[in-house]
Amino acid sequence: NAGVMQNPRHLVRRRGQEARLRCSPMKGHSHVYWYRQLPEEGLKFMVYLQKENIIDESGMPKERFSAEFPKEGPSILRIQQVVRGDSAAYFCASSPGLEAGAERKLFFGSGTQLSVL
Amino acid sequence: KQEVTQIPAALSVPEGENLVLNCSFTDSAIYNLQWFRQDPGKGLTSLLLIQSSQREQTSGRLNASLDKSSGRSTLYIAASQPGDSATYLCAVTGPNRDDKIIFGKGTRLHILP
Repeated sequence: NAGVMQNPRHLVRRRGQEARLRCSPMKGHSHVYWYRQLPEEGLKFMVYLQKENIIDESGMPKERFSAEFPKEGPSILRIQQVVRGDSAAYFCASSPGLEAGAERKLFFGSGTQLSVL
Repeated sequence: KQEVTQIPAALSVPEGENLVLNCSFTDSAIYNLQWFRQDPGKGLTSLLLIQSSQREQTSGRLNASLDKSSGRSTLYIAASQPGDSATYLCAVTGPNRDDKIIFGKGTRLHILP
């Protein structure tokens, strides 16, 4: 049973380009979370999705950032017109659904390191 | 707004010692609390999860306690080993089970051989 898969592992973009980060949750997991981490900082919540639905996007910047988790395929975090301040490690996690008794235990991917030149 | 604080930010202890990492949260209405480990350049690995109705959880040399009323959790590591060197993060969910999960900044632990 493969864990949470994120790709690419490293992504380099020039200012103004678009960055697309992909996350495939663990098999059987219906919920995906995106977090951003800067050096010496903890993980900052960005967005929490289930298939075809955004549950909480209160941590997403109002502009340039969007996330989706389609019925088929991976979750995508999209950053348009990247700026140097977007450089960070972006982590995805998944968890089982909210059926009764589900613990909301998170399983993390290895992250995507985004570098904006 | 829930805030999670971990003190100290960094800790160095000789191999073999027992140690305690601290986590505090401002809103005691939580659904659960989780402790994670992060190695440099890697993702997070779940260590222990404590439901709001529980007081502690144990896994091997690790023991996590939860005092909801005071907004505190501790992670106790017994007989520390160099392989325990990592950053340890705590995270809280709540108050409802479908609320977002908020992390502290972590404690960077270094076990001296």
